[in-house]
Amino acid sequence: ETGVTQTPRHLVMGMTNKKSLKCEQHLGHNAMYWYKQSAKKPLELMFVYNFKEQTENNSVPSRFSPECPNSSHLFLHLHTLQPEDSALYLCASSQQREGHETQYFGPGTRLLVL
Amino acid sequence: GQNIDQPTEMTATEGAIVQINCTYQTSGFNGLFWYQQHAGEAPTFLSYNVLDGLEEKGRFSSFLSRSKGYSYLLLKELQMKDSASYLCAVRDSNYQLIWGAGTKLIIKP
Repeated sequence: ETGVTQTPRHLVMGMTNKKSLKCEQHLGHNAMYWYKQSAKKPLELMFVYNFKEQTENNSVPSRFSPECPNSSHLFLHLHTLQPEDSALYLCASSQQREGHETQYFGPGTRLLVL
Repeated sequence: GQNIDQPTEMTATEGAIVQINCTYQTSGFNGLFWYQQHAGEAPTFLSYNVLDGLEEKGRFSSFLSRSKGYSYLLLKELQMKDSASYLCAVRDSNYQLIWGAGTKLIIKP
């Protein structure tokens, strides 16, 4: 248990569906992240929020829409996804400061797009 | 471009020692992390190196050589529960984490 929870753990959706992934951190951190993890590939950083402000958007398609209502909650809204978007979506949080800063991950949502 | 290289898969025997290597080419360096990820679970933090040398933490140790762009994770007295993927990540000059693809470690009895 890392202090970061994600729901749902598994999701199957069609290309025309709209769904949302939820992440909550109980660590008092000020930064939250969305990553995509595909088999045998490095983690891909999608979005970063620092004090609820989006500070990174790594050229992610607009069919992925993040939302950070407060420093403890992070959502990823999904719309009109493609089969190649099937992957494990990981949320992480950290206390951002220069120097040693460790990211703590949630268990992920395994997404399958049909 | 920035790159992290690690072996895709390694196999070792229970009770033995295994060394997982990581080489990196990044724009700047502000620390190197090792994470462990069991199948279907969250990556969990193992170690952090920012200065050259060996950091020991129980059965796990991590080594860093900044001049060589090289690190390794050493696992001693292997147990079956050590079967997992091990992820190497480097923080670059912009404090962004650059990730390797991970090394899947298989432990055999």
